[in-house]
Amino acid sequence: GAGVSQSPRYKVAKRGQDVALRCDPISGHVSLFWYQQALGQGPEFLTYFQNEAQLDKSGLPSDRFFAERPEGSVSTLKIQRTQQEDSAVYLCASSLQPQGTEAFFGQGTRLTVV
Amino acid sequence: KQEVTQIPAALSVPEGENLVLNCSFTDSAIYNLQWFRQDPGKGLTSLLLIQSSQREQTSGRLNASLDKSSGRSTLYIAASQPGDSATYLCAVSNTGKLIFGQGTTLQVKP
Repeated sequence: GAGVSQSPRYKVAKRGQDVALRCDPISGHVSLFWYQQALGQGPEFLTYFQNEAQLDKSGLPSDRFFAERPEGSVSTLKIQRTQQEDSAVYLCASSLQPQGTEAFFGQGTRLTVV
Repeated sequence: KQEVTQIPAALSVPEGENLVLNCSFTDSAIYNLQWFRQDPGKGLTSLLLIQSSQREQTSGRLNASLDKSSGRSTLYIAASQPGDSATYLCAVSNTGKLIFGQGTTLQVKP
């Protein structure tokens, strides 16, 4: 596709449920990032992949959060045992090179934990 | 730790005005700075990317400047239109990941 694609666009989960969020980056983009955006705030970094390697996961808020990119293209962000504070928009971005190049964002997945 | 601040948090102007949005950052060791636009309920749209070696970038009615030494960037919007109403975010990158400000919400009134 022409841009970064995320699915689902909206997800409502009951507290304690596991969820999986998908990101399809722009074809050929080496770098893939996940961000979390709370209402009225700027996005905050969660984790970064260069191809299939997860080089930085310092922003993941707890061990309930897990991300993978097994073949260096599609990525999945998984949240186990969701809690209300996990409610946010989860944004995926990709860029052609690891550093210094423009980042392109998907439309995001809005997660609501009830 | 890099911190990014955007001022003002919100801005309302009449159509046709020229305006400036401000962004400041605490660590000048950056690779680049990027300005984004975010419409309600949407993702981020990249507006301008300024590399650390550049001083400014222009796209249509938008002009972004970068002063690395003072840790500041401005986004200038000329002849504002109601369609420019959105939240504008600046972000700096020094290790690949982006560090964002909290954004400036702009309303342009017809």
